[in-house]
Amino acid sequence: DAGITQSPRHKVTETGTPVTLRCHQTENHRYMYWYRQDPGHGLRLIHYSYGVKDTDKGEVSDGYSVSRSKTEDFLLTLESATSSQTSVYFCAITPQADQPQHFGDGTRLSIL
Amino acid sequence: KNEVEQSPQNLTAQEGEFITINCSYSVGISALHWLQQHPGGGIVSLFMLSSGKKKHGRLIATINIQEKHSSLHITASHPRDSAVYICAVNSGGGADGLTFGKGTHLIIQP
Repeated sequence: DAGITQSPRHKVTETGTPVTLRCHQTENHRYMYWYRQDPGHGLRLIHYSYGVKDTDKGEVSDGYSVSRSKTEDFLLTLESATSSQTSVYFCAITPQADQPQHFGDGTRLSIL
Repeated sequence: KNEVEQSPQNLTAQEGEFITINCSYSVGISALHWLQQHPGGGIVSLFMLSSGKKKHGRLIATINIQEKHSSLHITASHPRDSAVYICAVNSGGGADGLTFGKGTHLIIQP
């Protein structure tokens, strides 16, 4: 299995607080992705990275920022969390764009 | 933006039945993925295909590029096949992430 770890696995926080989710990989894969999964919407792309310091926006990037200062870590930050950002967040990695993606176990985030 | 539609949304079948889940998309793609998600569980990649057909055990995936359509088949279904099956596509060169269908919730009853 691909070495991919998400932390924390669960988090409850209040509206307006900053939140950072971490995706850590041991595979040295170039591409990393953040998705959110919501009932009725399925999975949607938030941001992605194609290398250190190279990131781009996905379909639902408003309210989120990312950083990738090392190959192994891709951080997702909610600068000021809102209740609409309550979701399950998945990180995924792949060595090349035309290869299958491997997913982390997800982070369940609740914003009250 | 690629629109990915799956059918059916929900499917309940008896053990041993042949299962078909369908996926259609609106814009040309570089690859199509079938993923599996068990309740409360993570997401696993089953297939990635850009043409033809692939088989793994009791699972078969086919794609028709001209018709923008793919099917996932499960032969001799078993209760452990109960899961959500998700279709996803790479629309561009592939680096810019996947676009997903909303998933098919499959229940196989003993």
